[in-house]
Amino acid sequence: DAGVTQSPTHLIKTRGQHVTLRCSPISGHKSVSWYQQVLGQGPQFIFQYYEKEERGRGNFPDRFSARQFPNYSSELNVNALLLGDSALYLCASSLLPSRVYNSPLHFGNGTRLTVT
Amino acid sequence: DQQVKQNSPSLSVQEGRISILNCDYTNSMFDYFLWYKKYPAEGPTFLISISSIKDKNEDGRFTVFLNKSAKHLSLHIVPSQPGDSAVYFCAAKGGSEKLVFGKGTKLTVNP
Repeated sequence: DAGVTQSPTHLIKTRGQHVTLRCSPISGHKSVSWYQQVLGQGPQFIFQYYEKEERGRGNFPDRFSARQFPNYSSELNVNALLLGDSALYLCASSLLPSRVYNSPLHFGNGTRLTVT
Repeated sequence: DQQVKQNSPSLSVQEGRISILNCDYTNSMFDYFLWYKKYPAEGPTFLISISSIKDKNEDGRFTVFLNKSAKHLSLHIVPSQPGDSAVYFCAAKGGSEKLVFGKGTKLTVNP
């Protein structure tokens, strides 16, 4: 079975541009979460979606937005990119929202975003 | 304010010996704890978890211990193998959707 897949794997953007990152969850998983990992830190929570609705949002500015599609795939959008947005963006899926059921998140390999 | 702390950035262990990775947390609302392993250029891989109603959980070579009064958990790997060399993240959740991660500990198992 395919795991969580993310595209693209690497991306280079210029300050001020916008970016769209994509994620396909494990088959049967209905919840998708996004995390940002900067060098030397652990992943930081950005969003969680379940059944196309936002179920949680981390401490990120409004430049960050996301959505989930009927097939449970998801997009993360970042507008007006800053140098500090350079990071590994991780998508994770789980069967149910974590508030309903304690189950581990399964992560994809991430998208490495570099902002110059 | 770091709610999950892994105070050892790195740990080096001989093959066959025990590896002990430690994690402290400050938020009393946390009720579910997980350990993830991460290789370079890959996403974190789930290893083992423990609910706050337990104090120990075992899965093969991996055991997680939880001391709620000390707000401390540890991951024991016995015996350690060179393939265990990776960065290990402690994570916790409680009362919200998000997982809160520590900064990670880089484990090196020497042959």
